[in-house]
Amino acid sequence: KAGVTQTPRYLIKTRGQQVTLSCSPISGHRSVSWYQQTPGQGLQFLFEYFSETQRNKGNFPGRFSGRQFSNSRSEMNVSTLELGDSALYLCASSLAPAGGSYEQYFGPGTRLTVT
Amino acid sequence: QQPVQSPQAVILREGEDAVINCSSSKALYSVHWYRQKHGEAPVFLMILLKGGEQKGHEKISASFNEKKQQSSLYLTASQLSYSGTYFCGTEWNTGNQFYFGTGTSLTVIP
Repeated sequence: KAGVTQTPRYLIKTRGQQVTLSCSPISGHRSVSWYQQTPGQGLQFLFEYFSETQRNKGNFPGRFSGRQFSNSRSEMNVSTLELGDSALYLCASSLAPAGGSYEQYFGPGTRLTVT
Repeated sequence: QQPVQSPQAVILREGEDAVINCSSSKALYSVHWYRQKHGEAPVFLMILLKGGEQKGHEKISASFNEKKQQSSLYLTASQLSYSGTYFCGTEWNTGNQFYFGTGTSLTVIP
């Protein structure tokens, strides 16, 4: 079974631009969560989608948005990029909503650098 | 919202034991543990549910203290391969909230 895939793996953008990241979950998984990882900050929760509905949203500004398609693939968008948005963005998929008895499987991440 | 992990970092010699703690400000329903090696994605270790038993496999085990709203991860007779950053993820009793802690960096040296 193929794992979680994320595209692109690396991205360099300029302040003020916008970016779209993509995540394809493991086949059969309906939940996709997005995390921002920066040194010393751990895994900061961005949002979770389950069956095309946003289930939860973390404490991030409205510049961060996402969506999930009927095939469970998910995208996240960051508009008006700031230098502080430079980070590794990880997505994770699971059979059911994050938590409970179901583990999450993480993708390799997208390394975003904002200059 | 984010659980608090302690210690932030620990260095061990091969064969030594370590305990990593994860504390929540609210009553917990589940605690998940993951390990992330440098340059890799986090990998699932184990899940503990409210009312469940202590989990473990080989030399890594964990406990869940509902009254104290915390979980502890126990690594015994550490090996070089145990090095990495350990994250706990917690789900509150009220549901719909799952957050990871800030992580504990564990380094095992020969």
